[in-house]
Amino acid sequence: DTEVTQTPKHLVMGMTNKKSLKCEQHMGHRAMYWYKQKAKKPPELMFVYSYEKLSINESVPSRFSPECPNSSLLNLHLHALQPEDSALYLCASSQEVQPHYGYTFGSGTRLTVV
Amino acid sequence: GQQLNQSPQSMFIQEGEDVSMNCTSSSIFNTWLWYKQEPGEGPVLLIALYKAGELTSNGRLTAQFGITRKDSFLNISASIPSDVGIYFCAGRRGATNKLIFGTGTLLAVQP
Repeated sequence: DTEVTQTPKHLVMGMTNKKSLKCEQHMGHRAMYWYKQKAKKPPELMFVYSYEKLSINESVPSRFSPECPNSSLLNLHLHALQPEDSALYLCASSQEVQPHYGYTFGSGTRLTVV
Repeated sequence: GQQLNQSPQSMFIQEGEDVSMNCTSSSIFNTWLWYKQEPGEGPVLLIALYKAGELTSNGRLTAQFGITRKDSFLNISASIPSDVGIYFCAGRRGATNKLIFGTGTLLAVQP
């Protein structure tokens, strides 16, 4: 299995809702990432997990809450989002050290906040 | 945050033409990656580079890790319509797992 699977593919939520994005990989990668991508822009790093521990938080607002329940799963919990948070949310994984095979990305969750 | 500058921003070419794009930074990177992204999909890794001066090919694609470690280049030979997409460079510094993306090059290929 060489894929990163993200669910759901599309999500529409209101500003008062609570929802979660899910990401799964079975490549034995011990580093996992959340990126946010606006239309026609490059992906921007949000969080990095290394061996299930949060190692990088790029000053992301607290309405985004990541969670890594085990080495294969990564969640992003969403609460009280704003319309400007609408974007493609990408999950990625890599080997922890010297990622010789690069970073593998999922297809993303297209989030719309109304 | 830090940004990698890609050029050109966009390219509109005829099928069969060769394509060149580059990525530059004011900082040194120890890994350069090139990704292609199609609409509605995540980036797909094309080529990974780990040593200054390294030249690596993947089919019609060739990429080089600049000798100064501050830039990288991607060439696509004999372009075909399915090469259409946005090409991103990405760099990693030091021992961090932080991957920084370039601004992207939009490629359009006319049959």
